[in-house]
Amino acid sequence: DTEVTQTPKHLVMGMTNKKSLKCEQHMGHRAMYWYKQKAKKPPELMFVYSYEKLSINESVPSRFSPECPNSSLLNLHLHALQPEDSALYLCASSHEVSGGRPGLGTDTQYFGPGTRLTVL
Amino acid sequence: AQKVTQAQTEISVVEKEDVTLDCVYETRDTTYYLFWYKQPPSGELVFLIRRNSFDEQNEISGRYSWNFQKSTSSFNFTITASQVVDSAVYFCALSEARAAGNKLTFGGGTRVLVKP
Repeated sequence: DTEVTQTPKHLVMGMTNKKSLKCEQHMGHRAMYWYKQKAKKPPELMFVYSYEKLSINESVPSRFSPECPNSSLLNLHLHALQPEDSALYLCASSHEVSGGRPGLGTDTQYFGPGTRLTVL
Repeated sequence: AQKVTQAQTEISVVEKEDVTLDCVYETRDTTYYLFWYKQPPSGELVFLIRRNSFDEQNEISGRYSWNFQKSTSSFNFTITASQVVDSAVYFCALSEARAAGNKLTFGGGTRVLVKP
């Protein structure tokens, strides 16, 4: 069962709000990812967690704050966002990052349905 | 640096026609992985295939087939006898074995519209 779930499906927030996106997988994967996708563009990697530790931050502004409470859950905390942050936010998971050895090999990433975020 | 090019931005076909999506990649790594994902209007990226650089065998899965040619750095995807449900954006992606974090480099995507 290759299922990654994300909540909420849609989110509208003001620039002063604080909100969180949630992602969950029950495939026993140990790597989880956040992507941002603007309309008519491919997904862009934001963060990678490996064994519940932040492995990669692609120079994402601090108004996006990821959190991995356990191996099945991944959160993205949002604060003081800008209208240009409106996008589809995708979560993904994979078996692991390179067999536990960063930089070697690539496991397939399985994506969730995404959260469509609108910042007013 | 790795790069993926999908030259076709949009393809429109009539149902039952075949459609081929082109994917050309660039990499300096000798070990790499190629992927195709489908993104229907609902937004979820659906994994279709993963191929490593040492396996050049073509693959067929139902109406889908893939042609991997290292000599031309291409990994093309054909949908045979297209159906309306095939309407989606299709992304080709590359990951180098040495890339940290399983990082995927996506092509720009090809939007396929299948008309009844």
